[in-house]
Amino acid sequence: ETGVTQTPRHLVMGMTNKKSLKCEQHLGHNAMYWYKQSAKKPLELMFVYSLEERVENNSVPSRFSPECPNSSHLFLHLHTLQPEDSALYLCASSPIWRGSGEQYFGPGTRLTVT
Amino acid sequence: TQLLEQSPQFLSIQEGENLTVYCNSSSVFSSLQWYRQEPGEGPVLLVTVVTGGEVKKLKRLTFQFGDARKDSSLHITAAQPGDTGLYLCVGSSNTGKLIFGQGTTLQVKP
Repeated sequence: ETGVTQTPRHLVMGMTNKKSLKCEQHLGHNAMYWYKQSAKKPLELMFVYSLEERVENNSVPSRFSPECPNSSHLFLHLHTLQPEDSALYLCASSPIWRGSGEQYFGPGTRLTVT
Repeated sequence: TQLLEQSPQFLSIQEGENLTVYCNSSSVFSSLQWYRQEPGEGPVLLVTVVTGGEVKKLKRLTFQFGDARKDSSLHITAAQPGDTGLYLCVGSSNTGKLIFGQGTTLQVKP
């Protein structure tokens, strides 16, 4: 099993759809992260979970709803998105929250909102 | 607000040339990571530097952490097309908060 997996790899959805992104880590880490990566912009940290508890929410619109049912799985539920939400959504994990800073990223989900 | 200024943002060079990417901040970091991201993939951790003045080498890549732990550089010797990608520096503050550079897109032409 590779370290951090994400599904789907590509997603096209309309503004009225509801979809979910899934992330799974096989590294035994306690912290998981969602990032948004848009062209020509730095990585934007969206949410952080530590031991299944949300510890950071960086002013993300409510149309993005995270869920962490256990320390290995992380979801990002999407509804009524806007075209400007089109981006690469990256999941990452780390051994602990606010530890060494080292993170392990998944391959991302390329999201297109039409 | 802590910032991490990364430069240059874009770099296109010929195979065999050398290059340096810089990350600068007015803030002190407890550690700093460098990542490389290839198109269609997530960032991959290259190195972590922790000690001021530290130098780490990874084949043709040399990473340096500034003496004051406010800046870092990545030097690539004799770049290869396989080095093409987005290079990211990420600083970790003493509270563990992560600060991201804007990224450097490197294209190495054969």
